[in-house]
Amino acid sequence: DIQMTQSPSSLSASVGDRVTITCRASQSISSYLNWYQQKPGKAPKLLIYAASSLQSGVPSRFSGSGSGTDFTLTISSLQPEDFATYYCQQSYSTPPTFGQGTRLEIK
Amino acid sequence: QLQLQESGPGLVKPSETLSLTCTVSGGSISSSSYYWGWIRQPPGKGLEWIGSIYYSGSTYYNPSLKSRVTISVDTSKNQFSLKLSSVTAADTAVYYCARHREPQFPFDYWGQGTLVTVSS
Repeated sequence: DIQMTQSPSSLSASVGDRVTITCRASQSISSYLNWYQQKPGKAPKLLIYAASSLQSGVPSRFSGSGSGTDFTLTISSLQPEDFATYYCQQSYSTPPTFGQGTRLEIK
Repeated sequence: QLQLQESGPGLVKPSETLSLTCTVSGGSISSSSYYWGWIRQPPGKGLEWIGSIYYSGSTYYNPSLKSRVTISVDTSKNQFSLKLSSVTAADTAVYYCARHREPQFPFDYWGQGTLVTVSS
């Protein structure tokens, strides 16, 4: 299985901050990398697919980049509704695997 | 708007079989190129893909669970189902159903999830 490692595991930030979350794959996954946002008690929501494509309806303050083994999710200006847990997921090979999550908290 | 809804018992005894159904509304489960999957999340932990099925019945499973998992589809009811046998406390989790276009595509629609607790 391809291991996905996110950093940091948790992050405190303020409204208006620019935030970057990193995801590293244990082997090259080309651009088959997706990002999800999960709020407590809710299902994950797809934000970014194919490393850098914004899912329909997702605010443009979210962006993704990277290829191969190293990827980033950036939130350009944090909004109150962005405080949540973020997961990366590789869809390059079976089984699809997720990172352990990054919890974004209010400072 | 596509919606997915999980249903099934919230409590299962150890060694028994966990059975869940996902009902799809607002779209057809027989749409070509779409797969329907199950993903679980133990309380306070991360996400684990269990397996997926195509409307034709073609399945693929997580090797770590393959010996205990069966996923089936009922196109007449627009539903697909999960059976996980010989459960233990480690199978306690929120179980989500989700859609993805093809194996290398993301999960774009999710059900709200249902908590299944394994306990005697």
